[in-house]
This record gives sequence, C-alpha cells and structure tokens, in this order.
Amino acid sequence: ELKVEQNPLFLSMQEGKNYTIYCNYSTTSDRLYWYRQDPGKSLESLFVLLSNGAVKQEGRLMASLDTKARLSTLHITAAVHDLSATYFCAVDSFNNDMRFGAGTRLTVKP
Amino acid sequence: EAQVTQNPRYLITVTGKKLTVTCSQNMNHEYMSWYRQDPGLGLRQIYYSMNVEVTDKGDVPEGYKVSRKEKRNFPLILESPSPNQTSLYFCASRPTGGYQPQHFGDGTRLSIL
Repeated sequence: ELKVEQNPLFLSMQEGKNYTIYCNYSTTSDRLYWYRQDPGKSLESLFVLLSNGAVKQEGRLMASLDTKARLSTLHITAAVHDLSATYFCAVDSFNNDMRFGAGTRLTVKP
Repeated sequence: EAQVTQNPRYLITVTGKKLTVTCSQNMNHEYMSWYRQDPGLGLRQIYYSMNVEVTDKGDVPEGYKVSRKEKRNFPLILESPSPNQTSLYFCASRPTGGYQPQHFGDGTRLSIL
C-alpha cells in the first residue's frame, strides 16, 4: 500500500530565510505532485514532477524528485508572507490512484 | 470554464438523516475521487472512481457510499450520518493517463449534530 509522508508538518519561518519541505513515499512511482492550500480554500496544483531528477521552479518555490530515493523536496527561497499556506505532496500509485501526504502548514513571519 | 462543482458548500444536519453531496465536473475526466480533510490528518481518500460504473474504496470508506452512473457526476452519500463524519469534504477529478494533477472542487463543510 502506498504511504506518503511529509515533514515537517508545521513550519514557522522568518521572511527572507530558506527552508525545505520533504516528501517520502513508500512504493515505486515516477509521478509526484505538489499542491498549495490557503486557509478555507481549495487545493491548487503547483508542480507536476514526472521523472527521476525532474526539477520545476516557480518564483521562490522549487520542487525536485528523486525516484530512486522515493523523495521529493519543495525548497523555499527567501520566504515572503504570501507563501504562508499548507503544502501537500501527492503520489500516483500503480493504478493511477492519487495519495496525499498529511500536509505542511507553513507560516512566514515578518 | 473548467471546474469541479460541489453542492452544498455548507450543511448542518442531524445524526441519522440521509444526505447527499453532489459533485460534477465539466472536463470529461475519467477519474473522480472524494476526500475528507480533518485538522492534523491531512486529506484522506474516501472513494475513487476510474470511470463510469467503476468505483473503489479509499482509506476511510466506512459510513459512505458513492455511485458513478454518468461520467460527469460522482455523488457522495451518507446514509446515516454520525458526528464523526463532521468534516470538510473535497471532490476532485483528473483524466487518466497523461499524468495530470487533480482539479479540486471548493469543498463542502458538513456538520453533523
């Protein structure tokens, strides 16, 4: 059974600092997704990573995928308040069913 | 506009009174799924469907039913709701193949008293 684990679950950062969120998964998959959720809102797709070594960047966020290690990272560069949200990673299982991690609640403080 | 529409957005009801949360998508997606979101537990999958008339249990299916009679609709049915089903529910859809992300509805907040 596919398990997806994120850490940390809670992250409080100062503006301008860098940090990384980790996503580990338990079975072979080469399709990983990152989503963002603002409080009280729905989930919004951020990145789709489809192969080993894939790297995607959007603004201050950069996501990467290591399928051999079954690990994806979401790196935050020079955090700003607008990045405060909950971030989820999700992985496709063998039958294309998608499973989510528990989410990382990020708070960026001035 | 491509979207996943859930109704109702908010509902307060009582234990045992059957309810249905509707979900409709206009993107001709094969795959649809239901999740519940609870504080500290992230998104947990209730049921999913790969196509019409094909449904399967997710991680927390107890107390829920679904049906997929048409491609665009995937209703979630609570036959006899209980307070532990108070939660925020999301419906989502995606095409199968092509490795697309899921599109999510706006959510339905259910309170069972």
